[in-house]
Amino acid sequence: GENVEQHPSTLSVQEGDSAVIKCTYSDSASNYFPWYKQELGKRPQLIIDIRSNVGEKKDQRIAVTLNKTAKHFSLHITETQPEDSAVYFCAASGGYSTLTFGKGTMLLVSP
Amino acid sequence: DVKVTQSSRYLVKRTGEKVFLECVQDMDHENMFWYRQDPGLGLRLIYFSYDVKMKEKGDIPEGYSVSREKKERFSLILESASTNQTSMYLCASSLGQAVNEKLFFGSGTQLSVL
Repeated sequence: GENVEQHPSTLSVQEGDSAVIKCTYSDSASNYFPWYKQELGKRPQLIIDIRSNVGEKKDQRIAVTLNKTAKHFSLHITETQPEDSAVYFCAASGGYSTLTFGKGTMLLVSP
Repeated sequence: DVKVTQSSRYLVKRTGEKVFLECVQDMDHENMFWYRQDPGLGLRLIYFSYDVKMKEKGDIPEGYSVSREKKERFSLILESASTNQTSMYLCASSLGQAVNEKLFFGSGTQLSVL
């Protein structure tokens, strides 16, 4: 089955800095890569996703890049703000399989 | 907006008890899922269902069963709760028009088994 590795497990940045979270996956058939954000005490929510026919996708301050050859994808957050502090999960799936999640990255943005 | 509602936010049970976790969604979604969330382990899929009365095992089904008698309701059952089932349980649903779709999560049930 699919295996998703996520790094780093924790990330501390200053407000205004950029943050990058990286994930690798094992199944070359995977073609869908979402990112979920979970604020403290809240439910996970989808913030951005990318499919394998696209190399990069942006939505305001967040972007996701995908390298299918290397089997890795990354979340980029620019101009970080304290409200970006949360746990971020990457995930991957392909064909008719369900999502496999990474273990999560706790992002702390200090004012 | 889609609502996925889990019946309890916090639950405390004793070892050996039978435990029911209930989840209801109000947007006529076909797919429903139960995940377990533990610190440092991410979200792990226990069971999922693509249709009424249909169920499929996820990655960690041992010690759990599920029931989906109605489209909007998906129940997770711990037949005989054990301390290693102390965890946060998250229910999710998705529309069902495609395999790879946005998941809508409930707020979670923090279960403690003593």
